[in-house]
Amino acid sequence: SQTIHQWPATLVQPVGSPLSLECTVEGTSNPNLYWYRQAAGRGLQLLFYSVGIGQISSEVPQNLSASRPQDRQFILSSKKLLLSDSGFYLCAWSGPYGYTFGSGTRLTVV
Amino acid sequence: AQSVTQLGSHVSVSEGALVLLRCNYSSSVPPYLFWYVQYPNQGLQLLLKYTSAATLVKGINGFEAEFKKSETSFHLTKPSAHMSDAAEYFCAVSVSNRDDKIIFGKGTRLHILP
Repeated sequence: SQTIHQWPATLVQPVGSPLSLECTVEGTSNPNLYWYRQAAGRGLQLLFYSVGIGQISSEVPQNLSASRPQDRQFILSSKKLLLSDSGFYLCAWSGPYGYTFGSGTRLTVV
Repeated sequence: AQSVTQLGSHVSVSEGALVLLRCNYSSSVPPYLFWYVQYPNQGLQLLLKYTSAATLVKGINGFEAEFKKSETSFHLTKPSAHMSDAAEYFCAVSVSNRDDKIIFGKGTRLHILP
């Protein structure tokens, strides 16, 4: 069966520090992968999606970047975090039954 | 372009009462529609989806939704609310059930009153 792993679950980082969130998928090959951010009262905002290794599409210009170094690995990064980067980050992959989401990372920038 | 609008960011119902969460969509092509549930500090879980088969879709946990093209609506209902239904619910639209980006509504937080 397909599973998706996302870590860490929570993270507190100072302003200006780097960020790396990792997401991996098991049990499927060549999945479409997505990073969403959820801020209070604003629903889910699509940040990046990828249809294959090295293929990244950015939906919203911002302080973040994404990479897909392997077929089932999707990484969200930042060189210098801003206070506005705080939020709940969700990784997802799309399959025949819709989207499957990871358990999320709660990022607090202080 | 596709979009969804969820009416009411917060809805409160008494335990045992009818749950009705409203969703209206906009799509230039026949849409795929979804409802997801999110419990605190967790990812989203698929409740149900509409893919142009039956207009009344049954999902998990006793929820169902009816696709009404004339009203461009896909409201979520449950006959009798349970305390465990307290969560945030997201309506979403896509032009396919796999390859296209899903567009989410802003969510409705459901509160269950004892």
